[in-house]
Amino acid sequence: GENVEQHPSTLSVQEGDSAVIKCTYSDSASNYFPWYKQELGKGPQLIIDIRSNVGEKKDQRIAVTLNKTAKHFSLHITETQPEDSAVYFCAATTKAGTALIFGKGTTLSVSS
Amino acid sequence: ETGVTQTPRHLVMGMTNKKSLKCEQHLGHNAMYWYKQSAKKPLELMFVYNFKEQTENNSVPSRFSPECPNSSHLFLHLHTLQPEDSALYLCASSQDLAGGGNTQYFGPGTRLTVL
Repeated sequence: GENVEQHPSTLSVQEGDSAVIKCTYSDSASNYFPWYKQELGKGPQLIIDIRSNVGEKKDQRIAVTLNKTAKHFSLHITETQPEDSAVYFCAATTKAGTALIFGKGTTLSVSS
Repeated sequence: ETGVTQTPRHLVMGMTNKKSLKCEQHLGHNAMYWYKQSAKKPLELMFVYNFKEQTENNSVPSRFSPECPNSSHLFLHLHTLQPEDSALYLCASSQDLAGGGNTQYFGPGTRLTVL
């Protein structure tokens, strides 16, 4: 079935370091890949997304890269700050194109 | 705030109770979704509605019954649940269905505990 694999499940970095989270998807028809950040007690919030016709997108300290041939995409956070600590989810559109399939999440901890 | 509200935020119910979760979006979106979030599992899609019509039921047990009276409101009616149904239930909305690259906005969720 359709699935999205996400690694690592936990990631601890020092403030100022970079963090990278990787995801692979199974359905080559997927065409939209958002990343969500979920803080304690809140719902997931979109932080960046990328469409299949683009290889890379950047927004200040956050960037996402997409390799459609290999069916994987990655989130890059530079100059991490303690407020970046949260659970991050990657997602990809379903084959039916109606909703999203999510990865299991990565708990990022940034220590000062 | 994302423009998607959910009530109640917390709910404790017995296995024989009937309760309902409510979601409201103030974004003028056409599509709404229910997701289940359990510990150490990915978000699981439950139902998809587009223009009030259900377009997807992801093999959800019949003890969960959704209702979408209009494009702004979505309910999840709960009946004779099991303890394993305890989870965070998230509602989301998007302008149109996600396949078009439409951003999904999530509510804060309802933390459900089934005793």
